[in-house]
Order: sequence, then C-alpha cells, then structure tokens
Amino acid sequence: GALVYQYPRRTICKSGTSMRMECQAVGFQATSVAWYRQSPQKTFELIALSTVNSAIKYEQNFTQEKFPISHPNLSFSSMTVLNAYLEDRGLYLCGAGDRGYAEQFFGPGTRLTVL
Amino acid sequence: GEKVEQHESTLSVREGDSAVINCTYTDTASSYFPWYKQEAGKGLHFVIDIRSNVDRKQSQRLIVLLDKKAKRFSLHITATQPEDSAIYFCAATGSGTYQRFGTGTKLQVVP
Repeated sequence: GALVYQYPRRTICKSGTSMRMECQAVGFQATSVAWYRQSPQKTFELIALSTVNSAIKYEQNFTQEKFPISHPNLSFSSMTVLNAYLEDRGLYLCGAGDRGYAEQFFGPGTRLTVL
Repeated sequence: GEKVEQHESTLSVREGDSAVINCTYTDTASSYFPWYKQEAGKGLHFVIDIRSNVDRKQSQRLIVLLDKKAKRFSLHITATQPEDSAIYFCAATGSGTYQRFGTGTKLQVVP
C-alpha cells in the first residue's frame, strides 16, 4: 500500500535557528508533494506544492527564502524552516500524490515547537 | 484558486444521534472531496471521500453527499459514538494536485 513517512515526528528548536524535516513516500511514485502547516487551533494552510522536474510553487505568505524545499526524486522531499520564530510553531504535514490521481497520502506530520 | 468553507466550527450531538457537517467550495473544476478526522495532538486520519461522478457514498456509519450544482458537500455520521468525537476537516482538490482544507469542525458526542 501507499504510505508516507515524516521525520522527525516532533522537534524543538530555539528561536532564530533552523530545522529540516523530511517526507518519504513508500509504495507509490510521489510525483507531487504538498507541504502544509497547521498552526495551533487552526486549519491546514498550503505552504508550497512541489512537482518533480518543475518549479516549486509557493503560496502567498510563504517564501522559498523562509521554507526552502528539495524534491530530488519520486520518493523523497524535504523542507527547512529557516530562522524559526514563535509563529512558525505547529504541525507540518506532507501530502504526496501520484500524477493523474486526486488523492494525497499524508504523513503523520512533524510537530515543531519553537522556544 | 480553490477556497473551501466549513460552516460548523463546533457541533455537539447526543450519542446515537446523527451529526452533519457541511462544506462549500468555489472551484467548479474540483473533482475529489475527502474528509479527515484529527484527534487531539495527532495528525490527519482519512475517513471517507467522494468523487464528482457520484452524488452519494456510504461507508458503514458515514455518508457523504455531493451537490455539484450548489458546490456543496456534507458528511453525515449516523448512530454517533463517543469515539467519533474529534475535529473533522473537509477538503477539495481543484485543478491542481493538492487539497484545500476547510477550517475544521469540532464534533463532541455527549453520552
């Protein structure tokens, strides 16, 4: 079956430091990976959509300079939160999809705490 | 782009009654509408979905209805149980290969 792993599951970083999170798809080709953030008590906001061999498209309020993403192959994507501050805390979710299918398979998320 | 609105932010029902959560969307190209459940402190758990080629889908106690004309879809949970208590998110896939989420409905099933 199709599975998506995310690691770390939880992480704590000091304000102003950076933190990298990873997303791995198993059992299918992750031709597109979408990264989302759920801030405390809120819904899931789309940060960016990454498609293999295409430019990464960032949503308004999110930039490559702050959330650089790497999607080097069909099973792996990573995103870094640079210079993290309190407003960056939350659950970061990776949703991977296969070309031609509307379904996304979600990982369990990386929960970021910023001190 | 697609926008998804989830109308009930909280919902409280008695155990055994039905719960209904409503969502609307804006992108007429949207063709896939999943529902997810999130328990406290946890990630997303897929519960049921519906595609635009049907207007009703049922899986055990869960029923999803889709009204394409009104751009509205709803989740019906019948014979609710305390373990149904959670936050439910609707989502829609527009013309891109990603989902837009509603704002979430906190469902509380009271014994």
